[in-house]
Amino acid sequence: EVQLLESGGGLVQPGGSLRLSCAASGFTFSSYAMSWVRQAPGKGLEWVSAISGSGGSTYYADSVKGRFTISRDNSKNTLYLQMNSLRAEDTAVYYCATIMVVVVVAATPAGYFQHWGQGTLVTVSS
Amino acid sequence: EIVMTQSPATLSVSPGERATLSCRASQSVSSNLAWYQQKPGQAPRLLIYGASTRATGIPARFSGSGSGTEFTLTISSLQSEDFAVYYCQQYNNWPSMYTFGQGTKLEIK
Repeated sequence: EVQLLESGGGLVQPGGSLRLSCAASGFTFSSYAMSWVRQAPGKGLEWVSAISGSGGSTYYADSVKGRFTISRDNSKNTLYLQMNSLRAEDTAVYYCATIMVVVVVAATPAGYFQHWGQGTLVTVSS
Repeated sequence: EIVMTQSPATLSVSPGERATLSCRASQSVSSNLAWYQQKPGQAPRLLIYGASTRATGIPARFSGSGSGTEFTLTISSLQSEDFAVYYCQQYNNWPSMYTFGQGTKLEIK
């Protein structure tokens, strides 16, 4: 059974940093591209970042580019999201998800989100 | 940048009836479209991918159709557990490779 368990969320002041983790089990972690998707309180879903199975390629939404860094440790079956220069508008539940890659356009893989974690809440407030 | 528009924002349907949810893309996404269900306090769950293929374990009452810019999610006979928010997501257009619609809330009438 695929399991994704996020951790690391919490309350942080504007301008601060936080690192989220997502522990994966039940599948061959290194074979899957992974992603972070967030959901602000009462709002819809927003893709944040993605990373290839090897970790060699990373992708970001414009809203977080230059502030967030996605990475993975395939030896630990763990996905990370380092979040710097946090803003109030980054307040959200952050989900990690597996990506089933279907298409590659302009060297960018994309697909649907097959399995999701339960999410971790990040609150940016003074 | 591609925009995904779902309608209606809220749909009120009685249990046992059919529900039809729409998703429109601002440009063609071929059949590279997925549907997700989200219940309060829970993570989204994949329902449909490739516009019409049910994910593993999804009941047959859920069906997806469409291609290009117009897509539909149909729930043939609503069960109590189907009342939730539904999102569509395209995965076809660069650089907006992972774009969600704003969601349709399916509520009990």
